Amino acid sequence: RKEVEQDPGPFNVPEGATVAFNCTYSNSASQSFFWYRQDCRKEPKLLMSVYSSGNEDGRFTAQLNRASQYISLLIRDSKLSDSATYLCVVKRDYDKVIFGPGTSLSVIP
Amino acid sequence: EAGVAQSPRYKIIEKRQSVAFWCNPISGHATLYWYQQILGQGPKLLIQFQNNGVVDDSQLPKDRFSAERLKGVDSTLKIQPAKLEDSAVYLCASSFRLVGYTFGSGTRLTVV
Repeated sequence: RKEVEQDPGPFNVPEGATVAFNCTYSNSASQSFFWYRQDCRKEPKLLMSVYSSGNEDGRFTAQLNRASQYISLLIRDSKLSDSATYLCVVKRDYDKVIFGPGTSLSVIP
Repeated sequence: EAGVAQSPRYKIIEKRQSVAFWCNPISGHATLYWYQQILGQGPKLLIQFQNNGVVDDSQLPKDRFSAERLKGVDSTLKIQPAKLEDSAVYLCASSFRLVGYTFGSGTRLTVV
């Protein structure tokens, strides 16, 4: 079993739709959690950190459930520019960072 | 603030040849990572440095891959000899503690 797993994609949604991505991690010692966005042929870039209390940044909401070892990302009112691959990232001790396989999102006009 | 610099951007080599990639992290970032990203997959950690020491190289194929960060600043990753399955994007990233984990633009390697 991989240490970080994500919903297999791709997700194809119309503009304005709400879409949710799920991620699970297997190591209970994981300390920090992030969502990264990767555009085609570009490097990953930090989208948002994920806090235990849940956090929101505009149309994006991230949630963490430590008991279930589960992270989610919700995108409301999808825009064409949201089309990308979304990577779930888990950080353990000694700054070891593990990436999930990514979930591809295509927002369709 | 300058970002993580990587070179070259692209490289095409024949199998069994050698290749080297270079990375210069953000100034002051003690932790440096090399990742391999195969098309359609998430980045896979190859090696992590803390200053000039190796923290984790458990997924580095040591029979053909090597990396060094001699002065705790820039780093090189070498593949010798290359195989077809090494075709991927090699990403370098750096961080300062738990803050600011930044990637370079990567080196796209094609082995033919």
